[in-house]
Amino acid sequence: QVQLVESGGGVVQPGRSLRLSCAASGFTFSSYAMHWVRQAPGKGLEWVALISYDGYNKYYADSVRGRFTISRDNSKNTLYLQMNSLRVEDTAVYYCARVRTGSYLSPFDFWGQGALVTVSS
Amino acid sequence: DIQMTQSPSTLSAFVGDRVTITCRASQTISDWLAWYQQKPGKAPKLLIYKASSLESGVPSRFSGSGSGTEFTLTISSLQPDDFATYYCQHYNSYYSFGQGTKLEIK
Repeated sequence: QVQLVESGGGVVQPGRSLRLSCAASGFTFSSYAMHWVRQAPGKGLEWVALISYDGYNKYYADSVRGRFTISRDNSKNTLYLQMNSLRVEDTAVYYCARVRTGSYLSPFDFWGQGALVTVSS
Repeated sequence: DIQMTQSPSTLSAFVGDRVTITCRASQTISDWLAWYQQKPGKAPKLLIYKASSLESGVPSRFSGSGSGTEFTLTISSLQPDDFATYYCQHYNSYYSFGQGTKLEIK
């Protein structure tokens, strides 16, 4: 069955960096675009970034563009989110999610359990 | 950027009630709209895609409708397991979510 497992969350000071990982199994990872979505405590969902199935195309929300980098290693079935220059407002649970079909015009059908990132001094 | 606005923000209902949640887009999105259910401490679950298509395994009491800028999610007969927060999402150019509708038991 499809599984997405995030890791790498934790507490970090403002201005520092953190890298999240999302290990995928149960499907052909290299055939699917992948997303990161975050949810601040008690708040709604915010789309963060998208990467194409081959890693060549990447898109970001305005709130993270220039600070966050999405990447993937299809040989390891793993998705990454490198977060630099972290701000207090980046505090959230970060989810990786799979597109339902191969197209970007697709909702997210499988989600990981989430990784909590807390940015605090 | 396309903004998604849900109403109401909170909805109280009884088991067995029929409820409807509305989602409006700030510009037309055709039918590139999905609905998700989220329970506390859990990841969202896809219910509806392409505005009205039911995801596999989702009970038939859930239905979606609409196109363009106005969409609805209807639960025909509320079950205890349905009390959760619901989000709409557009996915036609970038992606954004509505602010959520919390469905509470009355």
